[in-house]
Amino acid sequence: AQTVTQSQPEMSVQEAETVTLSCTYDTSESNYYLFWYKQPPSRQMILVIRQEAYKQQNATENRFSVNFQKAAKSFSLKISDSQLGDTAMYFCALRDSNYQLIWGAGTKLIIKP
Amino acid sequence: DSGVTQTPKHLITATGQRVTLRCSPRSGDLSVYWYQQSLDQGLQFLIQYYNGEERAKGNILERFSAQQFPDLHSELNLSSLELGDSALYFCASSVAGGFHEQYFGPGTRLTVT
Repeated sequence: AQTVTQSQPEMSVQEAETVTLSCTYDTSESNYYLFWYKQPPSRQMILVIRQEAYKQQNATENRFSVNFQKAAKSFSLKISDSQLGDTAMYFCALRDSNYQLIWGAGTKLIIKP
Repeated sequence: DSGVTQTPKHLITATGQRVTLRCSPRSGDLSVYWYQQSLDQGLQFLIQYYNGEERAKGNILERFSAQQFPDLHSELNLSSLELGDSALYFCASSVAGGFHEQYFGPGTRLTVT
């Protein structure tokens, strides 16, 4: 069975600091995608970043970047220069050939002023 | 704004009742996905439709059903409602049924009393 594990239920950092959220996954497939989604207090689910498993280069979107370690099945999210608006639940998700997104339990990130 | 719309935003109903949640995908998207998010939990995949046909099924109860219409909008029908069905129901859409990222609607909050 495919699984996604987020081992940090909650994290908090000061504004402008850098924070890294962890995600590990398990799949037997060679072709898959990984995603980070953000869910702010509004509960809207927002795509943050995606990574194709066949790409070795780590994805980057402005202040958000990932550290994709395929052999270790690790997919961490780094947020640089954190802002108050980054306060949210962050979900890691794995998408495989069955077209389903398998979700982690989420990490609650609090950015303190 | 993801371009995915869901109605209604909020729904309060009694146990044993039946409700219908509606979703309109982004323009051009052929796939629609339904998810359930219970309080403080991750998302559970319910079902996916692609161009009117059921593509994948997740943890969807027999009391729940869905369909996608020729204009690509989708409806999720929940019947014989129980207190435990209270949750946030998300619809997401993607261009196709493959590895494309999913864009989420704002969700429908269902409260069963």
